[in-house]
Amino acid sequence: AQKVTQTQTSISVMEKTTVTMDCVYETQDSSYFLFWYKQTASGEIVFLIRQDSYKKENATVGHYSLNFQKPKSSIGLIITATQIEDSAVYFCAMREGVGDNSKLIWGLGTSLVVNP
Amino acid sequence: NAGVIQTPRHKVTGKGQEATLWCEPISGHSAVFWYRQTIVQGLEFLTYFRNQAPIDDSGMPKERFSAQMPNQSHSTLKIQSTQPQDSAVYLCASSLLGEQYFGPGTRLTVL
Repeated sequence: AQKVTQTQTSISVMEKTTVTMDCVYETQDSSYFLFWYKQTASGEIVFLIRQDSYKKENATVGHYSLNFQKPKSSIGLIITATQIEDSAVYFCAMREGVGDNSKLIWGLGTSLVVNP
Repeated sequence: NAGVIQTPRHKVTGKGQEATLWCEPISGHSAVFWYRQTIVQGLEFLTYFRNQAPIDDSGMPKERFSAQMPNQSHSTLKIQSTQPQDSAVYLCASSLLGEQYFGPGTRLTVL
């Protein structure tokens, strides 16, 4: 069965530091796609970054990067030089299948608080 | 591009009433998804359409919930005989190349 697990309920860091959020997943598919989203205090859900399972290189977008460890079924999100506005709930999600469009399976989220 | 539009943003219904939620996907996106978010269950998939055709409704409660996509510019989620446990934020997302882009959600409160 497909499953996404985020074990960290909340993290608090100081501004300008680096934070890593953990995510492990379960899938029987050989091809899958992993995503990180953030949900702001207003409720808006924003796509951040994705990792395709067949790609060995870790994805990087701006100050977000991923630590993809396929043998461990792990996809960690790394935020460098954190800013106050990075405070949000971060969700890890997985999509299976070969098509571009199918449902996302979500973790329960990690709440990040960035302190000044 | 206006992003995914959802209306209404808030809806309050009495128990047993009907609720219809609307979603306008990003123009050109071929897939539309509906999710529900609650504190207890988190984000749950409900159903999705690709090129207006229903593809997967495995997350939809079999009774009372239905979804349609009559044209490429909008989709509706209808809940008949609403119950207090239907209270949640209902989120619509659209997708073209894999990433899903979310609307602001409709907060449904059933009294």
